[in-house]
Amino acid sequence: QKEVEQDPGPLSVPEGAIVSLNCTYSNSAFQYFMWYRQYSRKGPELLMYTYSSGNKEDGRFTAQVDKSSKYISLFIRDSQPSDSATYLCAMSAQGAQKLVFGQGTRLTINP
Amino acid sequence: EPEVTQTPSHQVTQMGQEVILRCVPISNHLYFYWYRQILGQKVEFLVSFYNNEISEKSEIFDDQFSVERPDGSNFTLKIRSTKLEDSAMYFCASSDQGASFSYGYTFGSGTRLTVV
Repeated sequence: QKEVEQDPGPLSVPEGAIVSLNCTYSNSAFQYFMWYRQYSRKGPELLMYTYSSGNKEDGRFTAQVDKSSKYISLFIRDSQPSDSATYLCAMSAQGAQKLVFGQGTRLTINP
Repeated sequence: EPEVTQTPSHQVTQMGQEVILRCVPISNHLYFYWYRQILGQKVEFLVSFYNNEISEKSEIFDDQFSVERPDGSNFTLKIRSTKLEDSAMYFCASSDQGASFSYGYTFGSGTRLTVV
């Protein structure tokens, strides 16, 4: 089983839709969960960070972590064409120096 | 906003040649990283560097790879004898608190390495 799994998409939705992105993982040591956004030819940019389980909201973005199911989600409300990018989940264990990334989901928001 | 700067943006090299990828991390950051992303694949950890030494490295980071912080501002990744499979986007990142804190990393825009 892969350490982090993420559906690569592509995912295409109309402007204004609610987008749901998710990742599953197998390593129960992961405590820190992040979502990065990556535009073409750019490096990943941190969007959301969550420690352990629970929800976190920032504007149109909501991150959820369910450690019992080893499942994390990112919801985007009122999606905009500027949200079109590749979204990467990433995770880290306590005290670890590395991030483990998912495959990334390519998202297109159509005007 | 502070940023991580990587040069060059694209490098083409012949198989067997040495390459040095350069990065200027954010000035007050203490932790430095290299990741790579082969086309169509995941972003993969290569190495972390703190206090002038490697703190963690992956299986990918074998004897062909080395990192150096030659002065107070640059952080370099050297590949001694490039292979075709080293073709990838290489990302430098820096952090002031390590991976496990809320700031995560700041990534550079990457260097696309093409080995021919």
